[in-house]
Amino acid sequence: DIQMTQSPSSLSASVGDRVSITCRASQGIRKDFGWYQQKPGKAPKRLIYGASTLQSGVPSRFSGSGSGTEFTLTISSLQPEDFATYYCLQYNSYPRTFGQGTKVEIK
Amino acid sequence: EEQLVGSGGGLVQPGGSLKISCGASGFTFSNFWMDWVRQAPGKGLEWVANINQDGSQTYYVDSVKGRFTISRDNAENSLYLQMNSLRVEDSGVYYCSNQLGTPWGQGTMVTVSS
Repeated sequence: DIQMTQSPSSLSASVGDRVSITCRASQGIRKDFGWYQQKPGKAPKRLIYGASTLQSGVPSRFSGSGSGTEFTLTISSLQPEDFATYYCLQYNSYPRTFGQGTKVEIK
Repeated sequence: EEQLVGSGGGLVQPGGSLKISCGASGFTFSNFWMDWVRQAPGKGLEWVANINQDGSQTYYVDSVKGRFTISRDNAENSLYLQMNSLRVEDSGVYYCSNQLGTPWGQGTMVTVSS
């Protein structure tokens, strides 16, 4: 199975900050990769697919980069509604595997 | 509006069975792979299984192989997960998803406890 390692596991940031979250795959997955946002009690919402393609309707302050084994989600200017938990996902091979999550909290 | 609505969750004893469902609307259900993802209380996301458009291909995470069966009824726009030999560690919220994209269902809670 491909292991997905996210870092950090949590972070504290202020509104307006630039925030980056990294995900590393245990083997190359090309760009078969996505980022998800989950708020408490809600279903996950896809933000990015194909490593860098923004899901329709997602604000442009979110961006994704990377390929192969290292990927980054960047929020250019953190907004109050962005405080949530973020997960990465590889869909290059079975089983699909998620990272352990990064909780973004208010400083 | 594309929508997935899960149902059928509940409390079941270890070793028991449960079948959960997911109804689709607002998109052409038969055109898409469909997935189940679960989340144990306070934990992260775990992909469980998926199925192709006509039901001829299915994949599972190792921990549920031989116990869970994913299926679909394209005439009814419905996705199913039959769960047998349930374990305490199978407890959690089960989400259905259109190819892990958009939309996801609201989640249905499965609790395995004596």
